Amino acid sequence: NAGVTQTPKFRILKIGQSMTLQCTQDMNHNYMYWYRQDPGMGLKLIYYSVGAGITDKGEVPNGYNVSRSTTEDFPLRLELAAPSQTSVYFCASSYSTIYNEQFFGPGTRLTVL
Amino acid sequence: AQTVTQSQPEMSVQEAETVTLSCTYDTSESDYYLFWYKQPPSRQMILVIRQEAYKQQNATENRFSVNFQKAAKSFSLKISDSQLGDAAMYFCAYRSARGLNNDMRFGAGTRLTVKP
Repeated sequence: NAGVTQTPKFRILKIGQSMTLQCTQDMNHNYMYWYRQDPGMGLKLIYYSVGAGITDKGEVPNGYNVSRSTTEDFPLRLELAAPSQTSVYFCASSYSTIYNEQFFGPGTRLTVL
Repeated sequence: AQTVTQSQPEMSVQEAETVTLSCTYDTSESDYYLFWYKQPPSRQMILVIRQEAYKQQNATENRFSVNFQKAAKSFSLKISDSQLGDAAMYFCAYRSARGLNNDMRFGAGTRLTVKP
């Protein structure tokens, strides 16, 4: 199993541009998450999904959108990128809320200039 | 909202020695989970150890153990026989046992340096 994979690893955006961060997991997990990690800080939840077709906001959802059309994929969309969105983005997944270890992808470092 | 506090931004330990990383949290709930994650320079988040709040016994995983003090809302990580590969950022995290979202709250992290 590849686990949780994310693309791209690095990206530089100009203010106002849009992009999609890709996340795929091959563990058949129902739950998927997007976090951001600002320098010197812990992770903060942006959006999460409890299954295909079901998504909900986390702690810091403004400026982002998500979709979950399949169990495997959970893309994060940035519309009108702003410097405040410069961060490292992590995707994670877990099987259930009972056995709730979250498995993380390697992260995407995004810079908005 | 639940908050997690790691009061030690940086810690260092001599190889083969023992180090303890501190974590406190704030919650009004009685049922929850606590975690320690390791983030090496590769940025990969790796689960180190997990504790269920309803269990009184402290969790252990090889050289890693926790001191869980529920009344004090404290969850420290002890690393015994420190190795160079233990050098990383360590994050404490809290997750409520209620609800479906599996939302985890992370502390700001402690950077651990291991000296040879």
